[in-house]
Amino acid sequence: AQSVTQPDIHITVSEGASLELRCNYSYGATPYLFWYVQSPGQGLQLLLKYFSGDTLVQGIKGFEAEFKRSQSSFNLRKPSVHWSDAAEYFCAVGVETGRRALTFGSGTRLQVQP
Amino acid sequence: DVKVTQSSRYLVKRTGEKVFLECVQDMDHENMFWYRQDPGLGLRLIYFSYDVKMKEKGDIPEGYSVSREKKERFSLILESASTNQTSMYLCASSLRDRRSYGYTFGSGTRLTVV
Repeated sequence: AQSVTQPDIHITVSEGASLELRCNYSYGATPYLFWYVQSPGQGLQLLLKYFSGDTLVQGIKGFEAEFKRSQSSFNLRKPSVHWSDAAEYFCAVGVETGRRALTFGSGTRLQVQP
Repeated sequence: DVKVTQSSRYLVKRTGEKVFLECVQDMDHENMFWYRQDPGLGLRLIYFSYDVKMKEKGDIPEGYSVSREKKERFSLILESASTNQTSMYLCASSLRDRRSYGYTFGSGTRLTVV
């Protein structure tokens, strides 16, 4: 069965600094990979997704993520963080056959300092 | 704008009560999902449905049941609420095609069982 690990529970960065959130997955074949963001009191919003092809994926709000098969990783990056990026971020994995639902990581809470 | 609507943002119920959480989507999506969100645990799948009257158990179905009588509506039922079911409940929907994944989430229902 597939699984997702987000090693960082909580990250604090200064506004304007770069950001990288880590995500590692476990699955025997190429998975479908997603990043979602949850602002306080809200549901989750899709930031970006990877199915195949170019391993660098661009998303909304200036985010990007890179799929690295050799490291089983799909890290989320942003070159310059804004205060409005403070939220919780979830990585998720889906598969081509078998389980129809996504499996989510435990989340990383991002705090942005002025 | 497409929407997934959860009937209540906040609910307080007593131990032993039968609780209904309702979710409606207006996107003609085939798949609908119920997740539970707890701090440090991320999102855990309770049940999902891939068609009317069809359902599959997720990772934590104990104590829950679901109903999908119409395509747009997916209900989560707590047969006899217990305090350990106090949580945030998130409903989501998606198209059947896995390559169209990108769930649309509702805003969540925060349930407190006292």
